[in-house]
Amino acid sequence: KQEVTQIPAALSVPEGENLVLNCSFTDSAIYNLQWFRQDPGKGLTSLLLIQSSQREQTSGRLNASLDKSSGRSTLYIAASQPGDSATYLCAVKTGANSKLTFGKGITLSVRP
Amino acid sequence: KAGVTQTPRYLIKTRGQQVTLSCSPISGHRSVSWYQQTPGQGLQFLFEYFSETQRNKGNFPGRFSGRQFSNSRSEMNVSTLELGDSALYLCASSLATSGVKETQYFGPGTRLLVL
Repeated sequence: KQEVTQIPAALSVPEGENLVLNCSFTDSAIYNLQWFRQDPGKGLTSLLLIQSSQREQTSGRLNASLDKSSGRSTLYIAASQPGDSATYLCAVKTGANSKLTFGKGITLSVRP
Repeated sequence: KAGVTQTPRYLIKTRGQQVTLSCSPISGHRSVSWYQQTPGQGLQFLFEYFSETQRNKGNFPGRFSGRQFSNSRSEMNVSTLELGDSALYLCASSLATSGVKETQYFGPGTRLLVL
């Protein structure tokens, strides 16, 4: 059974800091891994998707890496801004169907 | 292109009642998945529908059911509501390519409060 862990549950950093959010999963036989952002009371916004054969993906100030063999992914946020404050969730797709298994998320607060 | 839409956005029910939530996927998307999000359990998979058939099901009691129509719109129903069913219900749609590039797009959710 796939399990996804995100630690710590919450993080507070000053504006401008570069930061890394971690995600680990127990079953390395994944199709892909997605990072999402969720603002309070809202739905999920897809940030990056890394296919199982890829090592990293970049979008603007965001960079996500994947090490399938060790069951780990990281989301790197460069030059953090208060607008980056949100909960960040990672999710893995393990089978051919569309089911995603989610971590519980990391709530990020960027202080001005 | 319009995103995933969910109705209603907020709902208050009492224990024992039933509720129906609706999800309209992105145009052209054939798969619709439903998730329950609570502070304690996080996001948990309920079920997935593809071409009007349930393709996958999570570990939820039979009170939770769903269906998909020929236009890919989906509904989920919860009967005999319990206090613990209070949650944000999210639906997601995808092209259902079954491949490594498949991206899930989520709607804004329906916030259900059971009193």
